[in-house]
Amino acid sequence: AQTVTQSQPEMSVQEAETVTLSCTYDTSESDYYLFWYKQPPSRQMILVIRQEAYKQQNATENRFSVNFQKAAKSFSLKISDSQLGDAAMYFCAYRSGGGSEKLVFGKGMKLTVNP
Amino acid sequence: DADVTQTPRNRITKTGKRIMLECSQTKGHDRMYWYRQDPGLGLRLIYYSFDVKDINKGEISDGYSVSRQAQAKFSLSLESAIPNQTALYFCATSGIGTSKERNEQFFGPGTRLTVL
Repeated sequence: AQTVTQSQPEMSVQEAETVTLSCTYDTSESDYYLFWYKQPPSRQMILVIRQEAYKQQNATENRFSVNFQKAAKSFSLKISDSQLGDAAMYFCAYRSGGGSEKLVFGKGMKLTVNP
Repeated sequence: DADVTQTPRNRITKTGKRIMLECSQTKGHDRMYWYRQDPGLGLRLIYYSFDVKDINKGEISDGYSVSRQAQAKFSLSLESAIPNQTALYFCATSGIGTSKERNEQFFGPGTRLTVL
């Protein structure tokens, strides 16, 4: 079974600075997808960014980018120019490439942004 | 209007009561999911359905049942609620959609359930 590990339960960053959230996963599959979801206090789950395992290029979405290291099974999220609105729980998630499409989540990490 | 809606948004019930959480979607997706979120544990899959005639157990299905009444509706039931089912429950959908949406799950706003 696949597992996703977020080893840091909490992090903080100063506004306008850069922060990196770490995620590792375990799988024997070669075809899969990885996601970062954000959950603000409103509790809505918001997709931040996704990465297809077959793509070598790291995904980027505005201030958000990932460092995808397939061999190391590492998938970190970098937030540049942090804003107060980035404060939230962040979840890393894994999805198999075929079949069930179930998401396997990490336990989450709380990000605080200090003004 | 929200694409994925959940009712109720908050519910307090007592041990032993039957309760149903409902999920509706207007995205036209064929796949629907129920997840449970507990502090420090992330989200865990309870049940999922790929169409009206297809229901599958997830990681933590014991104590829960589901019904896929239509493509757009997927309900989660707790036949006899117990306190350790106190959690935040999310419905999600996925489908072919646009190329950007493909492989993505869209979440409802969540239902906060408290079992006393």
